[in-house]
Amino acid sequence: GAGVSQTPSNKVTEKGKYVELRCDPISGHTALYWYRQSLGQGPEFLIYFQGTGAADDSGLPNDRFFAVRPEGSVSTLKIQRTERGDSAVYLCASSLDSSNTEAFFGQGTRLTVV
Amino acid sequence: GNSVTQMEGPVTLSEEAFLTINCTYTATGYPSLFWYVQYPGEGLQLLLKATKADDKGSNKGFEATYRKETTSFHLEKGSVQVSDSAVYFCALRPYNNNDMRFGAGTRLTVKP
Repeated sequence: GAGVSQTPSNKVTEKGKYVELRCDPISGHTALYWYRQSLGQGPEFLIYFQGTGAADDSGLPNDRFFAVRPEGSVSTLKIQRTERGDSAVYLCASSLDSSNTEAFFGQGTRLTVV
Repeated sequence: GNSVTQMEGPVTLSEEAFLTINCTYTATGYPSLFWYVQYPGEGLQLLLKATKADDKGSNKGFEATYRKETTSFHLEKGSVQVSDSAVYFCALRPYNNNDMRFGAGTRLTVKP
């Protein structure tokens, strides 16, 4: 597709369950980012990949959060033992491998933990 | 570390009023600076950018100038429209990596 695609668009899960959120970046973009956006807040950095490797995972809040990008394209954000406080919109973005190019965002996955 | 601080909202203006949303940053070296906009019900999209000191980014009547001496990148528009109602985010990318950081966002409402 032409843009960054995220699936599902909405996810409701019970507290304690495991969830996976998928991001399909723009073809050819080597940098991929995950952000979390709570209501009324800006995107909070979680992790970014350069190719297959996590170049910076300092934003992951704890060890329940993990992300992979095994082939340098699609990425999956995994959350174990979900908590109500994990409820937010999870945004994915991708960019070319250059510091002065823009990041293109997907529409996000709205995660609700009940 | 690298961070962005932007003017807290919400901001409410009448149509054709002048807009300024302040943004300051902390970073080493010369980061690239961006303004993103999020219209109601839509995803984040780039509004404008500047990649070096004294550059001016502009788009849709919005402007922002990269000021190294004041570490600022304030967003301005001379005459806002109702359709400009949205949330605006200032962001930076350090010169030596792709790690983008965002401000908390400023909600703008323009009334007819």
